[in-house]
Amino acid sequence: AQSVAQPEDQVNVAEGNPLTVKCTYSVSGNPYLFWYVQYPNRGLQFLLKYITGDNLVKGSYGFEAEFNKSQTSFHLKKPSALVSDSALYFCAVRKSGAGSYQLTFGKGTKLSVIP
Amino acid sequence: GAGVSQSPSNKVTEKGKDVELRCDPISGHTALYWYRQSLGQGLEFLIYFQGNSAPDKSGLPSDRFSAERTGGSVSTLTIQRTQQEDSAVYLCASSLAITETYEQYFGPGTRLTVT
Repeated sequence: AQSVAQPEDQVNVAEGNPLTVKCTYSVSGNPYLFWYVQYPNRGLQFLLKYITGDNLVKGSYGFEAEFNKSQTSFHLKKPSALVSDSALYFCAVRKSGAGSYQLTFGKGTKLSVIP
Repeated sequence: GAGVSQSPSNKVTEKGKDVELRCDPISGHTALYWYRQSLGQGLEFLIYFQGNSAPDKSGLPSDRFSAERTGGSVSTLTIQRTQQEDSAVYLCASSLAITETYEQYFGPGTRLTVT
């Protein structure tokens, strides 16, 4: 079975400071990893994904994430946080290959950027 | 272009009643997924459809839940004899295909409240 852990329920960061939202995963075989963001009363918006290749992937709104196979992690980062980045962030995984196509999500991390 | 749409946005129903939730995927997307988001359980996969293939129903929590997809486009999730524990936000997503690399695009969700 595949699983995702987001160890922090909430992350607070000052505007202009770098932010990190942590994610670790467990899956058999090679993982496909995704980050989504959810604003209040909205659906999930896709931010970025890791499929293969360069371990550092860049996505929407200046976000990036680093895939680390040895640590089974896929932490989300941004060099300079904006107040508008405040939202709920979800990490998700699915395994490569045929079969199980649904995403398995972490519990989410609430990011608050303080002006 | 138009994203995934869901209706109704909110639904309040009495315990024991049946409800139908509708999802219109992005035009041209052949894969469609249903997830449930609740406070206690996070985001849970329910079911997915791909083209004319048999759906993967492995995430449906009980036989009170069913879904169909007509003409490879619109999908309806039906919950029979609703229970209070069914209260949640039901999210629909679609992707270009079922293959592993395509990201899923989510609708705004239907908030279901069972009284």
